[in-house]
Amino acid sequence: QLHLQESGPGLVKPSETLSLTCTVSGASITSYTYYWGWIRQPPGKGLEWMGNIDYSGNTDYNPSLKGRVTMSIDTSKNQFSLKLKSVTAADTAIFYCARVDVSNWFGDWFDPWGQGTLVTVSS
Amino acid sequence: DIQMTQSPSSLSASIGDRVTITCRASQSITSYVNWYQMKPGKAPNLLIYAASILRSGVPSRFSGSGSGTDFTLTISSLQPEDFATYFCQQSNSSPRTFGQGTKVEMK
Repeated sequence: QLHLQESGPGLVKPSETLSLTCTVSGASITSYTYYWGWIRQPPGKGLEWMGNIDYSGNTDYNPSLKGRVTMSIDTSKNQFSLKLKSVTAADTAIFYCARVDVSNWFGDWFDPWGQGTLVTVSS
Repeated sequence: DIQMTQSPSSLSASIGDRVTITCRASQSITSYVNWYQMKPGKAPNLLIYAASILRSGVPSRFSGSGSGTDFTLTISSLQPEDFATYFCQQSNSSPRTFGQGTKVEMK
């Protein structure tokens, strides 16, 4: 059964870089029918898609993040990662990783998701 | 960006009730809408994809409909485990965007 698990520091200082890793178990990350994505949810707010990466390292980022986001993939470890630089308190959120099913012509969707990890930006 | 407007933002219902949640897109997205269920501390779950296709393993009391700009998630008979927050999401174009969520609470 496919399982995704986020990991990384729960506290990051303002102006620093937030780094998270998503470890995928139960299936290989090297598939052309799936991408890998990050979504976040600030406390009390809605969901924001941050971006996707495919197994070749091609990325699609949300322009709202204004170039602060970088995603990478490590197929040898079956992991993909997120870096968000120059963080502020507004970046405090639960961060989720998810598999993106792109195998069909009728759209794509996030399934499954990781449980999420809370990252707080504070000095 | 395509805006997804969900309504209501919250609702109170009883076990056995029929619950309907709507999502309106700011432009036509044909059938590129997905619905998710979220519970605190748990991984979100995909319920419906492509507007009306029930994900394998999801109870048949959940259904989705709509096309163009107006979409609906229906729970035909609310069960105790269905008290949660529900989100719609469009996959018509990038950036992918979500509705603001509908919290289903016990009456």
